[in-house]
Amino acid sequence: NAGVMQNPRHLVRRRGQEARLRCSPMKGHSHVYWYRQLPEEGLKFMVYLQKENIIDESGMPKERFSAEFPKEGPSILRIQQVVRGDSAAYFCASSPPEGGGSYEQYFGPGTRLTVT
Amino acid sequence: RKEVEQDPGPFNVPEGATVAFNCTYSNSASQSFFWYRQDCRKEPKLLMSVYSSGNEDGRFTAQLNRASQYISLLIRDSKLSDSATYLCVVTPGDNFNKFYFGSGTKLNVKP
Repeated sequence: NAGVMQNPRHLVRRRGQEARLRCSPMKGHSHVYWYRQLPEEGLKFMVYLQKENIIDESGMPKERFSAEFPKEGPSILRIQQVVRGDSAAYFCASSPPEGGGSYEQYFGPGTRLTVT
Repeated sequence: RKEVEQDPGPFNVPEGATVAFNCTYSNSASQSFFWYRQDCRKEPKLLMSVYSSGNEDGRFTAQLNRASQYISLLIRDSKLSDSATYLCVVTPGDNFNKFYFGSGTKLNVKP
């Protein structure tokens, strides 16, 4: 049973370019979460999505950041016009549908974004 | 005030030692609690959920103190492979899908 998959694992972008990060949840999981981790800091919640719905985006910066989880395909975190401060590790997590009794989240390997 | 606070450490202990970490949380309505482990430059991995009655998994014991709003993790008979950063996770109120992470406590187990 494959775990949460993220790609690319490493992404280098120049200032002003766009970054697209992809996440495929574990099989059977319908909830996807995105977190950002700056060096030497803890993970910060960004957004929680279900298929075709953004449930909670309270942690997303107001500008340049967007997320989607389409009916088909992976969830995508999109960062437009990247700046140096966007350099971080971006982790995706997934959890099973509600009612399964478990709210544990399982994390992918992360995408390390470097903005030059 | 941060939602979750942890002592960053590092805790440097010899193999075989017992070590304990505490984590405090600010929202008294929090319902779900977890400990995750994160190795350097890797993803967090679930170590254990923390139940009201406390729970044990081998050398690891987690406890919850709702009155004082803290959770603890006890590691007995430390192994070199336990060296990692331990992350405390709390959910706000009845929103079980939003995780607040502490900044982590670093553990170094020395031979």
